[in-house]
Amino acid sequence: DADVTQTPRNRITKTGKRIMLECSQTKGHDRMYWYRQDPGLGLRLIYYSFDVKDINKGEISDGYSVSRQAQAKFSLSLESAIPNQTALYFCATSVPPTDTQYFGPGTRLTVL
Amino acid sequence: DQQVKQNSPSLSVQEGRISILNCDYTNSMFDYFLWYKKYPAEGPTFLISISSIKDKNEDGRFTVFLNKSAKHLSLHIVPSQPGDSAVYFCAASARNYGGSQGNLIFGKGTKLSVKP
Repeated sequence: DADVTQTPRNRITKTGKRIMLECSQTKGHDRMYWYRQDPGLGLRLIYYSFDVKDINKGEISDGYSVSRQAQAKFSLSLESAIPNQTALYFCATSVPPTDTQYFGPGTRLTVL
Repeated sequence: DQQVKQNSPSLSVQEGRISILNCDYTNSMFDYFLWYKKYPAEGPTFLISISSIKDKNEDGRFTVFLNKSAKHLSLHIVPSQPGDSAVYFCAASARNYGGSQGNLIFGKGTKLSVKP
């Protein structure tokens, strides 16, 4: 079984809809992250959480919100989706001291 | 301004030869560097890392070299195999500074194609 899972794997939605992407992990890591990947732009950090009560904005948080429901669950929401949020979204986890990050399989989101 | 740069979007290598992927960084606070490999329709997978106290780290066919004075690191794959064809991301963090400084900053990736 995968250590970091993401649901859904693919989603097509329309402009203005609310979307939630979910991430679960069985690695027991406290730290969790949400990234988006766009062609030619690499991975950019949206939000991160170092524990259940800790939520921090990343490089590109505008238009997104997150919820850390438990150590193992970290959800990303798009309150009102827009076409330029079409991208691949990845969840990751890590644990100190190395903080090497381990990624989920990704969610391909298309906003029409 | 890009703090981690991978200036070659793509690289093509013959099977059995060496693949060299390059990465430059600008932030002198970075003290931990990683390489990730990504296949289509999958998440990035951790490949190898190096701390700034070292200049070389080896794991099987993969070796990472760090030149701190030049703010440059490279990943060598020897010998290259067709299964190595993927996008490779370089990442860096200022781990010893703690907090958000420990977050990874990624390059844009280099697509490696290993031809049989």
